[in-house]
Amino acid sequence: DAGVIQSPRHEVTEMGQEVTLRCKPISGHNSLFWYRQTMMRGLELLIYFNNNVPIDDSGMPEDRFSAKMPNASFSTLKIQPSEPRDSAVYFCASTLGLRGDEQFFGPGTRLTVL
Amino acid sequence: AQRVTQPEKLLSVFKGAPVELKCNYSYSGSPELFWYVQYSRQRLQLLLRHISRESIKGFTADLNKGETSFHLKKPFAQEEDSAMYYCARGSGYSTLTFGKGTMLLVSP
Repeated sequence: DAGVIQSPRHEVTEMGQEVTLRCKPISGHNSLFWYRQTMMRGLELLIYFNNNVPIDDSGMPEDRFSAKMPNASFSTLKIQPSEPRDSAVYFCASTLGLRGDEQFFGPGTRLTVL
Repeated sequence: AQRVTQPEKLLSVFKGAPVELKCNYSYSGSPELFWYVQYSRQRLQLLLRHISRESIKGFTADLNKGETSFHLKKPFAQEEDSAMYYCARGSGYSTLTFGKGTMLLVSP
């Protein structure tokens, strides 16, 4: 298994543009998490899904952010419109979904909004 | 709300020196605590969890419920230990609340 896959690895865009980040979890994992990493705030949980259903999106910073999981093998995080303060590394992680399970992280997408 | 505090953003030591990365958590029931590590150009990965009571790469961490701490320790640091270390606490289902991380730099 290639592990959690994220694309793109790097994204540079201009303020106001729509950005879509993609994630493919490990096959068989039923929980998926989106995190944002910045120097100032560290690693923040944005949203997580269990069996493709969003369970908690209280970490999503604004309505400009949205996430979907149409099936067990794919999720997207969309920012529309993007702003310079959205610049960060966005990680996707997946797990079997049991309490205390190890989370497996993707390589991250480094987003720069100019 | 669950909180995880890592008071040091950066910890710099010489090779062979002891290392202690501090982590404190907000008290609530029976916590599940973890240390994750991110080496340069690598993915964030689990280092150890408190229920395992194991030593990984020479690191250990003991849960101290009285002090609500889960400090990560290693008696003799190696250059390859240089990385970003995150303390995390289990928060319902399988979610984690992470601290802000501590960058460990081990100099030769």
